Amino acid sequence: DTAVSQTPKYLVTQMGNDKSIKCEQNLGHDTMYWYKQDSKKFLKIMFSYNNKELIINETVPNRFSPKSPDKAHLNLHINSLELGDSAVYFCASSQGSRGPYEQYFGPGTRLTVT
Amino acid sequence: DAKTTQPTSMDCAEGRAANLPCNHSTISGNEYVYWYRQIHSQGPQYIIHGLKNNETNEMASLIITEDRKSSTLILPHATLRDTAVYYCIVIRNSNYQLIWGAGTKLIIKP
Repeated sequence: DTAVSQTPKYLVTQMGNDKSIKCEQNLGHDTMYWYKQDSKKFLKIMFSYNNKELIINETVPNRFSPKSPDKAHLNLHINSLELGDSAVYFCASSQGSRGPYEQYFGPGTRLTVT
Repeated sequence: DAKTTQPTSMDCAEGRAANLPCNHSTISGNEYVYWYRQIHSQGPQYIIHGLKNNETNEMASLIITEDRKSSTLILPHATLRDTAVYYCIVIRNSNYQLIWGAGTKLIIKP
């Protein structure tokens, strides 16, 4: 069974479109995250939710809106896509939001904006 | 959170121990050292973490110097599947937020 899954794996779309990426974890974790990995391969945290509550919201354009319908799901909706949004987006989860908890990552969604 | 410095890349022969260094000279007393790796086109994978003592698990060993200013990740018998970018990250227990650097690209050669 896949611990952290993301859909879709690849997403190609045009500028100005709105798209969503879905993430699900079956580990029973309380905390979920969204990361962006750009072309230089640096991973940057975007958002973190603990028990459906937003706890980390880095400097991310408000075109990006996370939604957590329940503890096991954290979706990322992106409005008015721009060329600079092209990246690989990773979802992750951990047992809690504080303490030395390891994070489990999904396989990533490669978003290409043309 | 303390900053970390790692070599850009390293090679290791298959079957030998791979020793990956990390400097974190500004680490403070309540900051943990974490190691993750990212195999090409996959999500990052947790390897190990420690605070003061050396740690070992089924994947690797983590050696932290007494002054905690540096650490070494040891993969005891490297295989080709260990080829990946390895990230050393220092974080506070109270603010569990991973700040990722460039990591070390480890290439295991047959």
